[in-house]
Amino acid sequence: GDSVTQMEGPVTLSEEAFLTINCTYTATGYPSLFWYVQYPGEGLQLLLKATKADDKGSNKGFEATYRKETTSFHLEKGSVQVSDSAVYFCALSGVGKLIFGQGTELSVKP
Amino acid sequence: SAVISQKPSRDICQRGTSLTIQCQVDSQVTMMFWYRQQPGQSLTLIATANQGSEATYESGFVIDKFPISRPNLTFSTLTVSNMSPEDSSIYLCSVEAAGWLAGVFGPGTRLLVL
Repeated sequence: GDSVTQMEGPVTLSEEAFLTINCTYTATGYPSLFWYVQYPGEGLQLLLKATKADDKGSNKGFEATYRKETTSFHLEKGSVQVSDSAVYFCALSGVGKLIFGQGTELSVKP
Repeated sequence: SAVISQKPSRDICQRGTSLTIQCQVDSQVTMMFWYRQQPGQSLTLIATANQGSEATYESGFVIDKFPISRPNLTFSTLTVSNMSPEDSSIYLCSVEAAGWLAGVFGPGTRLLVL
């Protein structure tokens, strides 16, 4: 069945460092791909999405490109801030539902 | 996009009891989804609730344990029945937005079962 695999966390970075969180997927067909963010004590927020191959989703300085050939949707940000500390979930749209990766916790130190 | 509220925001319950979680949306939506997030884990879909029909449950989830109501297009409830400590989780309500399943999530209900 469809599945999403994310890099293990936690990830600890210094402020202004470059961020990459890897996400790969297995799916039949051509799913849409998403990144969600969950700040401490809060619910999930959609960060960005891409609906077809080579689409780039972007929001708040984060971006991810839908790579069909490598079945990947890695999340990147050029310069992280302390306020980016959160758990990040990669997800794909399965048949009638979202399928989530296990989440990657990011901690940004000043 | 839709705004979702959930009640209660958190609760501490005794094993063997039941808790009903409410999900209210500020606009009419066709599909509502209930997810569970166990401690330190990812989100798992429990069921999809459509107004006017029985909820559709995912593998591993049964109606007797997680009965769902969907009386109208803006409201749904999820009951966690006969709770055990393993039911301690965050329960999230979600709706589609603009035709996308990756819609909006509610703030979640944090449940601790003792």
